[in-house]
Amino acid sequence: QQQVKQSPQSLIVQKGGIPIINCAYENTAFDYFPWYQQFPGKGPALLIAIRPDVSEKKEGRFTISFNKSAKQFSLHIMDSQPGDSATYFCAATGTYKYIFGTGTRLKVLA
Amino acid sequence: NAGVMQNPRHLVRRRGQEARLRCSPMKGHSHVYWYRQLPEEGLKFMVYLQKENIIDESGMPKERFSAEFPKEGPSILRIQQVVRGDSAAYFCASSPLPPGQGSSEFFGPGTRLTVL
Repeated sequence: QQQVKQSPQSLIVQKGGIPIINCAYENTAFDYFPWYQQFPGKGPALLIAIRPDVSEKKEGRFTISFNKSAKQFSLHIMDSQPGDSATYFCAATGTYKYIFGTGTRLKVLA
Repeated sequence: NAGVMQNPRHLVRRRGQEARLRCSPMKGHSHVYWYRQLPEEGLKFMVYLQKENIIDESGMPKERFSAEFPKEGPSILRIQQVVRGDSAAYFCASSPLPPGQGSSEFFGPGTRLTVL
């Protein structure tokens, strides 16, 4: 019940495409859902986060869609660029701990 | 406002030695988390600390590993008698509020531990 399931494990898109990364959770106590971007050799960096009282949040080219009833949320990257090639982690937090997904390795081809 | 700082960035130890990893959280953050990441893998939670208190150490091996976050100074993750399997990147994160109160964690650059 404490898991956050993330898919796909890896993803390859052409420049300009819209990669979509999905996460699903079980614990209804989770109430905050951040996404992180990690480049090789670096620490994860916060991208965007959402609360379950909204269904969508946009920041620049990054959009989170949230489906509370399905307990799913997803990250969309609009007009993807080769510089977006990185590993993306979703996370969820509720009462006292952050739970991370297993990560998605994204490669955007030039 | 400086981000989360970790040192050393790279640490090489021989089997049986001790490794000490340090983490200075962002200013104003009193919640610290340690994670371990193996190559090509995700983040594995190890321990969550507040000042002078260990809140959750459920992800930390029972032997050889310990963590502290004293009233003054950085948080320390200590690994005694290191083995080759301890080789990994260790990330520290901090947050201004406890989990569940709507704040995200901010990560440091990590310490890459290599055990020879």
